Amino acid sequence: AQSVTQPDIHITVSEGASLELRCNYSYGATPYLFWYVQSPGQGLQLLLKYFSGDTLVQGIKGFEAEFKRSQSSFNLRKPSVHWSDAAEYFCAVSAGSARQLTFGSGTQLTVLP
Amino acid sequence: EPEVTQTPSHQVTQMGQEVILRCVPISNHLYFYWYRQILGQKVEFLVSFYNNEISEKSEIFDDQFSVERPDGSNFTLKIRSTKLEDSAMYFCASSPYAIRGKNTGELFFGEGSRLTVL
Repeated sequence: AQSVTQPDIHITVSEGASLELRCNYSYGATPYLFWYVQSPGQGLQLLLKYFSGDTLVQGIKGFEAEFKRSQSSFNLRKPSVHWSDAAEYFCAVSAGSARQLTFGSGTQLTVLP
Repeated sequence: EPEVTQTPSHQVTQMGQEVILRCVPISNHLYFYWYRQILGQKVEFLVSFYNNEISEKSEIFDDQFSVERPDGSNFTLKIRSTKLEDSAMYFCASSPYAIRGKNTGELFFGEGSRLTVL
């Protein structure tokens, strides 16, 4: 069965600093990978996705992620964090006949002024 | 921009009562899902629905749960006899793609319905 690991429960960065959130997945076939963001009391918003092709994918709000098959990773990056990026970030892998998502446990991002 | 809408945003109920959570998926989408998130925990898959039937369900989705698409627009989750541990945020999602009957997996989520069981 597929699984997703986000090793960092909580990350704190200063505004303007760079950010990298880690994600490792376990899945037998070629994965479809996603990053979602959840602001407090809100739903899940898709940041970016990887289906195939170029392993560096660009998303909304200046985020990007790189798929590395050899490391089973799909880390999320942003060169300069804004205070509004404070939220919880979930990595997910899509599998199953209905392509339902399996989520990681999330990484809470705090941005210091 | 089209979006998935969920009602109610918050429901408080007594243990043992039945609850129905409602969702209106994006109109041209073909796959529908329910997920739940217990406070402080990860988002968990409950069930997927395609072509008017359940396509997959998790071990969480036991006999107390059911889903229905009663008309062309609504997608409901019914919890027959609520327990304290059913307290969670329930997310509905829909997905547009079906290529040769297979979904490519981009899900659009609603803002959730918070269920509190007392």
